[in-house]
Amino acid sequence: KQEVTQIPAALSVPEGENLVLNCSFTDSAIYNLQWFRQDPGKGLTSLLLIQSSQREQTSGRLNASLDKSSGRSTLYIAASQPGDSATYLCAVRWDDMRFGAGTRLTVKP
Amino acid sequence: GAGVSQSPSNKVTEKGKDVELRCDPISGHTALYWYRQSLGQGLEFLIYFQGNSAPDKSGLPSDRFSAERTGGSVSTLTIQRTQQEDSAVYLCASSPQTSGGNEQFFGPGTRLTVL
Repeated sequence: KQEVTQIPAALSVPEGENLVLNCSFTDSAIYNLQWFRQDPGKGLTSLLLIQSSQREQTSGRLNASLDKSSGRSTLYIAASQPGDSATYLCAVRWDDMRFGAGTRLTVKP
Repeated sequence: GAGVSQSPSNKVTEKGKDVELRCDPISGHTALYWYRQSLGQGLEFLIYFQGNSAPDKSGLPSDRFSAERTGGSVSTLTIQRTQQEDSAVYLCASSPQTSGGNEQFFGPGTRLTVL
């Protein structure tokens, strides 16, 4: 069964900290893995897309890594800011796309 | 260019009524996806279209749910005889194709409340 799991479910950090969000998935035969941000009452914003042939992607203060063999991806956020507070979703694309339950991040000023 | 748009943004309806939700994908995107997110739940895949055909309808929760896409563009998701458990945010996404490697771009969603 193809499943996506995100740990932790919630995370609270002071502003300025570097942090790591974790995503694990069963079945390494993925097409791609995508990290999203969801703000309350809003739709999803795509942050980073990693193709199955790639090991990592970077955008600004964000870095996402992919290790297919171990079924893991991490999203690294450097120098966190209060504006980073949101729910972060990991989605894995097999024949269809499956989402983790998300990590709710709060960055305190 | 314009992103994925959805309408209405909010819909409140009475139990038993039918509703139609609309999605306008990014121009030129051949693949279109519907998801829903119930309160406190993760995102749930419903259906996807490649062009006007829907190869995978496995996510539709019941036969009260149907979707169509015309002209390879706009899609409507119809829920008949709505039930309270249908209350959720319905999200639409599009991508250039369904080959698996393409990024999906999401609309803002339609928040459906069934009273």
